[in-house]
Amino acid sequence: QQPVQSPQAVILREGEDAVINCSSSKALYSVHWYRQKHGEAPVFLMILLKGGEQKGHDKISASFNEKKQQSSLYLTASQLSYSGTYFCGTEIGDDKIIFGKGTRLHILP
Amino acid sequence: GAGVSQSPSNKVTEKGKDVELRCDPISGHTALYWYRQSLGQGLEFLIYFQGNSAPDKSGLPSDRFSAERTGGSVSTLTIQRTQQEDSAVYLCASSLTSGRAGEQFFGPGTRLTVL
Repeated sequence: QQPVQSPQAVILREGEDAVINCSSSKALYSVHWYRQKHGEAPVFLMILLKGGEQKGHDKISASFNEKKQQSSLYLTASQLSYSGTYFCGTEIGDDKIIFGKGTRLHILP
Repeated sequence: GAGVSQSPSNKVTEKGKDVELRCDPISGHTALYWYRQSLGQGLEFLIYFQGNSAPDKSGLPSDRFSAERTGGSVSTLTIQRTQQEDSAVYLCASSLTSGRAGEQFFGPGTRLTVL
């Protein structure tokens, strides 16, 4: 039931783009994205509620393919502040969110 | 306004002792979640509350773990007869609504170390 995230880790230079993928073996009602910086609590980025919906948040956006039970998080022109671990959380209709193991993103200057 | 608070921030205990972890959610938030995060691991779901009731306790690792919520507010996670594998950061989150509509606000966590 836990979603699978890929890649597990990625290192980028400032200004480069990244894509983080999240896939589930079950049909999804929603997908939630959070970012956790080292030693801090996770912070909400966005929720995607409908199939095919794409949301944006500054230079961070996400898509949700309901049919494929997948979501992707896009980070464009990455900034140093984007470093951290990104978690996707999936909700299958039972009102609880199950998080993946996370993707560690490190941005180099 | 005040965010989610957790206490204690750190807890060191001896194997076999019981511990209580407390979570104060944001006022008015009806949903409350407990997660466990081990070093380098993801967020492991433990239990969630809608009001004072816990519709889903399936994430609790064993019968040594229990949780309650009173008055639709404060929640306590209790671990009995702690084991070394219980060492982790325990995170609490609250949400205005549950599930698909619910942005979760996380507390700073309680770091539990079992010696």
